[in-house]
Amino acid sequence: AQSVAQPEDQVNVAEGNPLTVKCTYSVSGNPYLFWYVQYPNRGLQFLLKYITGDNLVKGSYGFEAEFNKSQTSFHLKKPSALVSDSALYFCAVTPGGFTGGGNKLTFGTGTQLKVEL
Amino acid sequence: EAGVAQSPRYKIIEKRQSVAFWCNPISGHATLYWYQQILGQGPKLLIQFQNNGVVDDSQLPKDRFSAERLKGVDSTLKIQPAKLEDSAVYLCASSLELIRTGYGEQFFGPGTRLTVL
Repeated sequence: AQSVAQPEDQVNVAEGNPLTVKCTYSVSGNPYLFWYVQYPNRGLQFLLKYITGDNLVKGSYGFEAEFNKSQTSFHLKKPSALVSDSALYFCAVTPGGFTGGGNKLTFGTGTQLKVEL
Repeated sequence: EAGVAQSPRYKIIEKRQSVAFWCNPISGHATLYWYQQILGQGPKLLIQFQNNGVVDDSQLPKDRFSAERLKGVDSTLKIQPAKLEDSAVYLCASSLELIRTGYGEQFFGPGTRLTVL
């Protein structure tokens, strides 16, 4: 069975500083990995995905994530945080390729990012 | 393009009552998902449709939950009778890629917040 761990319930960072939101995963075979962001009273919004290729993936709003197969991690990063980045971030995984399981995403529990002035 | 539409946005009912949620996916998206997001947790997949057929309903409590996707477009999720533990946000998502590709960016609706008293 696949699983995702987001070890930090909350991350606090000052505006202008770099931010990292951690994610580790467990899945059979090669993973497809995703980051989503959720603002209050809104649905999840797609940020970026890793399918194959370059381990550094760039996404929306200046976010990027680095896939590390040996550490089974997919940490979300941004060089300079903004107050408007404050939101709930979810990492998700699905087995890559056709496994018969379809496109079933398994989400982590989420990390609340708080960016302060 | 228009996003995933859901209604109602909020619903308050008493336990043992019935409730139904509606979802209209992005036009042309073959795959539709219903997720349950309990406060403090990540979304959990309840059911996945490919066109109007069910692909995965392994986590759907079938004694009280039901879902249908007539004509492969709109979908309805019903709870009958509701329990206190059903209080959650119900998210609908859709994706364009067919299941056999093994991946797909899922686009989420704003969700329906259900409170069971």
